[in-house]
Amino acid sequence: GNSVTQMEGPVTLSEEAFLTINCTYTATGYPSLFWYVQYPGEGLQLLLKATKADDKGSNKGFEATYRKETTSFHLEKGSVQVSDSAVYFCALIPFSGNTPLVFGKGTRLSVIA
Amino acid sequence: GAGVSQSPSNKVTEKGKDVELRCDPISGHTALYWYRQSLGQGLEFLIYFQGNSAPDKSGLPSDRFSAERTGGSVSTLTIQRTQQEDSAVYLCASSFAGTTNEKLFFGSGTQLSVL
Repeated sequence: GNSVTQMEGPVTLSEEAFLTINCTYTATGYPSLFWYVQYPGEGLQLLLKATKADDKGSNKGFEATYRKETTSFHLEKGSVQVSDSAVYFCALIPFSGNTPLVFGKGTRLSVIA
Repeated sequence: GAGVSQSPSNKVTEKGKDVELRCDPISGHTALYWYRQSLGQGLEFLIYFQGNSAPDKSGLPSDRFSAERTGGSVSTLTIQRTQQEDSAVYLCASSFAGTTNEKLFFGSGTQLSVL
């Protein structure tokens, strides 16, 4: 079946630290991959996506590269800010496109000044 | 409206009671999704509506759960005879056409607490 596994949180970092949140997936075929973010008190919103192998999604200083050989889509940011504190969800849509987004369990990030 | 609207934002109910949760999608969006967010469990897909097609109900956890979408717009998720394990945040999302790779817009959710 299709599934997403991401590192368990919470993750606590100091401002300007480097961030990596690991995400690996299991899927038939070649899925599209996403990172969604949920800021405190707000709904989930799309952060970035990649639709094929070796694609890099990027937004707001965050990046993730679709690695088919390791079935991974790790989220990275070079210098986090307090405003990045949120819950981050890795997700996929299978190649068939007939199944809605499959989410990981989420990783809570807290950035302290 | 400007975004996906859900009501109520919080609902406390007693075990065994029925509850209805409402979702107003973004105007013009034909696809509507319900997810459940439980502590430590991530987002669990419940049901998906796309236009006039039969809904994908494959994620509904039991026959106590049902959903409808009237007029292709507003959706209501109904939980009958609520149980304590139903306590969670219920999230609604919509998208323009429900196609692959499309961006979903989420509401802020309804926090359901079953006592």
